[in-house]
This record gives sequence, structure tokens and C-alpha cells, in this order.
Amino acid sequence: EVQLVQSGAEVKEAGESLKISCKGSGYTFLNYWIGWVRQVRGRGLEWMGMIHPTDSDVRYSLLFQGHITISVDKFTDSAYLQWNSLRASDNGLYFCVRHAGSSWPLSLDLWGPGTRVSVSA
Amino acid sequence: QSALTQPPSASGSPGQSVTISCTGTSSDVGRYDQVSWFQHHPGKAPKLIIYEVSKRPSGVPDRFSGSKSGNTASLTVSGLQPDDEADYFCNSYAGVISFFYVFGTGTRLAVL
Repeated sequence: EVQLVQSGAEVKEAGESLKISCKGSGYTFLNYWIGWVRQVRGRGLEWMGMIHPTDSDVRYSLLFQGHITISVDKFTDSAYLQWNSLRASDNGLYFCVRHAGSSWPLSLDLWGPGTRVSVSA
Repeated sequence: QSALTQPPSASGSPGQSVTISCTGTSSDVGRYDQVSWFQHHPGKAPKLIIYEVSKRPSGVPDRFSGSKSGNTASLTVSGLQPDDEADYFCNSYAGVISFFYVFGTGTRLAVL
């Protein structure tokens, strides 16, 4: 089955670090960009960035650049989203999303179920 | 980052058709033919049902169709079924200088 499996919910305090994961299965992980989308009540869905597994070429949304790090391990077919210092505003549901298409721009064609991140001030 | 505007709710009876709009700007929906629609049952992974304005992925019934006119994209669900009750959101490419992709505000579809 083609799917993205995400790590479980996290409860943290502001200032702490966090790394959540996403593992692709059922398809050739190296062939697709993979990225992250945040869902926050009152703000809706926000695209955060994406990375290509073959060379770790990464693109960030201006909204998140400098605050997050997206990485990938092509040997375990896993992508990661990391914060060095969480803020209360990082509360949300984080989706891992595969990007696909034969030409740019790509479509967001496969989503994970989401990882809930709760940050207390 | 401005979200794409969708009606908060829509409804229809089984067998009927319903259309959901997604209004953006000339910088996103109006500029690129990279508009997608997703069906989301809360607690599950969102599912792609329309991409590149009007294309359906394999396995998506032809009851789902998409179109675009100017800065507004539309999703039509024909022959409504109880399982179509879900949240639907749109998505458009917005360019590399901006935020790459923007999303709709979401529409809760009720099948009465």
C-alpha cells in the first residue's frame, strides 16, 4: 500500500527542541519531493517546505524559513521536520505530503494522517 | 500569506449535485493551472481527488469534477453519496517567490 506513516503526537514546552518523522512506503521514495503542511485552527493550512531525497535539495516557505529544518534519510525512506526552539505558535497538526508530477509545479498527491504538536508557553 | 476563499459549508441530498468554489487571485489560481482539491475525513489523511484543475487520479470516481474560470476554481460532486460527507479544501501553486502553495479555507459538505 502506498502511504506515508507519521510519528505520534508530541507534547512540549516552549523553548524545547523537537523532530517529527514521516516514512514513505509502497513507492520509490527517491523519486518524489516530500514536504510538510501545517494545519492550525484559525489559520487553516500552510505549506512549509519540501525536500528531494536524492540530493536533499530543500525549499522553504518564507513564512517558516529560519525557524524549521526539513531533512531526509534516503536509506530509511524517511523525512523529518525539526525545531530547535519551539514556540506556542507552533501548536498544530503537521501533515507529511508527497509532491508529484511530470513537470513543475507539482501536485500534493499523497498525505500522511498528521502529527499533533502541542506546545505550552 | 492569503488563503483561498471557500464557503464554510455546503449541503445536498443523496443523488443531487453540489458545487464548491475556491476563489484566489491573479497570482495563484488565476495564474497557474495547478489547482487541486482534497477530501478530508477528520482524523484521516486528506485524499487528492482533483489535480491540475480538472484531472482525476486513478480510482477517483467521475462524480468528482473540477473547473476554473479566472481566479475561481470549482469542484462539483454529482450523485451525492453519504460517504461524500467530509471536509473539502482546494490548493493552488503560488510561485517560488511567494509561499509556493496556498490552500483554501475549507468547506464542510453535508449529505442530508
